[in-house]
Amino acid sequence: GDSVTQMEGPVTLSEEAFLTINCTYTATGYPSLFWYVQYPGEGLQLLLKATKADDKGSNKGFEATYRKETTSFHLEKGSVQVSDSAVYFCALLSGGYNKLIFGAGTRLAVHP
Amino acid sequence: GAVVSQHPSRVICKSGTSVKIECRSLDFQATTMFWYRQFPKKSLMLMATSNEGSKATYEQGVEKDKFLINHASLTLSTLTVTSAHPEDSSFYICSATIPSGGTYEQYFGPGTRLTVT
Repeated sequence: GDSVTQMEGPVTLSEEAFLTINCTYTATGYPSLFWYVQYPGEGLQLLLKATKADDKGSNKGFEATYRKETTSFHLEKGSVQVSDSAVYFCALLSGGYNKLIFGAGTRLAVHP
Repeated sequence: GAVVSQHPSRVICKSGTSVKIECRSLDFQATTMFWYRQFPKKSLMLMATSNEGSKATYEQGVEKDKFLINHASLTLSTLTVTSAHPEDSSFYICSATIPSGGTYEQYFGPGTRLTVT
């Protein structure tokens, strides 16, 4: 079945460091891909999405490119801030079922 | 736009009682809503798909008689945890879908923390 694999956390960075969180997927067909962010004690917020190969999603300085050849959707940010500390989930929309399949989540901690 | 609310945000109940959690789409209509459960420091586990006007579809291993889902209108779905036990303590999150840009986007509620004593 469809699945999403994320790099294990936690990821600890200093402010203004470069961030990469790896995400790879297994799916039949051409799923849509998403990154969600969860701040402590809150629900999930959509961070960015891409619906087809080579699409780049971007929001709040975060970017991810849909790479069909490597089945990846890595999340990047050039300069992280303390306020970016949260848990990040990679997800795919399982084609035809309208269901999101989530990765395990990666906790990011940014220190001043 | 695309705001999903949940009520209550926190609830503590005694073992053996039932608890109802509401999920509302505030500014859009949602024919499909989803209910998830999240354990501490873990990912979201899909419990069921709630369809307006029809029975919910439960994921394998989820007890439908324990977790009753009702999607009575296009803006409201409810999850009732019946005869709650301490092992039901968890963070419950709902979401609603909107078609957008050739795909579906899910918008999540803020979650409900259930503690069963």
